[in-house]
Amino acid sequence: EPEVTQTPSHQVTQMGQEVILRCVPISNHLYFYWYRQILGQKVEFLVSFYNNEISEKSEIFDDQFSVERPDGSNFTLKIRSTKLEDSAMYFCASSSRYTIYFGEGSWLTVV
Amino acid sequence: DAKTTQPTSMDCAEGRAANLPCNHSTISGNEYVYWYRQIHSQGPQYIIHGLKNNETNEMASLIITEDRKSSTLILPHATLRDTAVYYCIVQGISNDYKLSFGAGTTVTVRA
Repeated sequence: EPEVTQTPSHQVTQMGQEVILRCVPISNHLYFYWYRQILGQKVEFLVSFYNNEISEKSEIFDDQFSVERPDGSNFTLKIRSTKLEDSAMYFCASSSRYTIYFGEGSWLTVV
Repeated sequence: DAKTTQPTSMDCAEGRAANLPCNHSTISGNEYVYWYRQIHSQGPQYIIHGLKNNETNEMASLIITEDRKSSTLILPHATLRDTAVYYCIVQGISNDYKLSFGAGTTVTVRA
């Protein structure tokens, strides 16, 4: 069964450093998403991406965040200057139309 | 702007059916009911979705009331591996199919 894969599974970074989280969505899916979940809290929507551009973003997705689909298969989330409060599990997801499938997540710890 | 109401938690005996209720009294005509679950801190896992007819797949059954204001997810023979947080989500097809997660129901299956 096709699945969304994410790397790294866990990353520790120092505050102020840049982080790139990578995702390989399910092939032939057209919609891509990033969500995050701070420990003990709800899963929160960050951004959706369609047709090579951001289609919607939440208030959380401010100027320090960016997304890119650099080569037609990967989908990345960049956090430019990490803060302690960016520590969370980040989930990538993709969808063909009606059903969104999630990856297993990248656990980011900012110290 | 919660669109669904679910019990905070429920217990279920292993081998018995688990019936998870969800209220979505403000659902509109073009909105689907989706169920996902999250086991520990893994990525949310798609279970099932429906518009107005009852649906069944290899994981579960979804019963939607005739007025569509509530639904029930049925896990026919719960196992310990079904212990998870279950999310009932109402989603329209007009906003990139993005999902908004609530707190869900924490289901504990007991031996």
